Amino acid sequence: SYELTQPPSVSVSPGQTASITCSGDNLGDKYAYWYQQKPGQSPVLVIYQDSKRPSGIPERFSGSNSGNTATLTISGTQAMDEADYFCQAWDSSTGDVFGGGTKLTVL
Amino acid sequence: QITLKESGPTLVKPTQTLTLTCTFSGFSLSTSGVGVGWIRQPPGKALEWLALIYWDDDKRYSPSLKSRLTITKDTSKNQVVLTMTNMDPVDTSTYFCAHRSPMFGLDYWGQGTLVTVSS
Repeated sequence: SYELTQPPSVSVSPGQTASITCSGDNLGDKYAYWYQQKPGQSPVLVIYQDSKRPSGIPERFSGSNSGNTATLTISGTQAMDEADYFCQAWDSSTGDVFGGGTKLTVL
Repeated sequence: QITLKESGPTLVKPTQTLTLTCTFSGFSLSTSGVGVGWIRQPPGKALEWLALIYWDDDKRYSPSLKSRLTITKDTSKNQVVLTMTNMDPVDTSTYFCAHRSPMFGLDYWGQGTLVTVSS
């Protein structure tokens, strides 16, 4: 079955750029999606189709996807961005697949 | 405005069958390309995709749980129902349903419902 791998944690200083990676076999051939989840809340879509932002998502969120790695980049990270981030892709054999999640700490 | 809400028991006993209902508004599950999916999350752990049903009644299941899951829809009631058989304590999770669109993916999520499996 298809698997996506994320680093368990990423730390960033306020105002700096945070990058969260998501790895999977030929992930670049699929669309990658990113979700933000804060404690006690439901996930929120922040990036769809690799690099597009839904309405209402700040411009500081961006994404890319090539080869085996998709990357979520948060520029000018703010304290409010501290959350868990999950990548997701659709695999024809496995269905919707989620990465293990990355805890972003802003300190 | 799209909203979804999960409902069902908060506590089930081992070996019992869990039945969860997702009641939604703001979209029709007869619209081409639209789907509703179920995802769960054990406390403090990652999201796990369970099942998906499309507007045309096409159904997809997680390979690891396929033998235990059934997903159905009632378009007239705007509901999607997930059943999971032979519940075990490791199935203790918050269960979410979500709207799935061809372009945006899982773009709207319910608030989730915590299901505890314990005798």
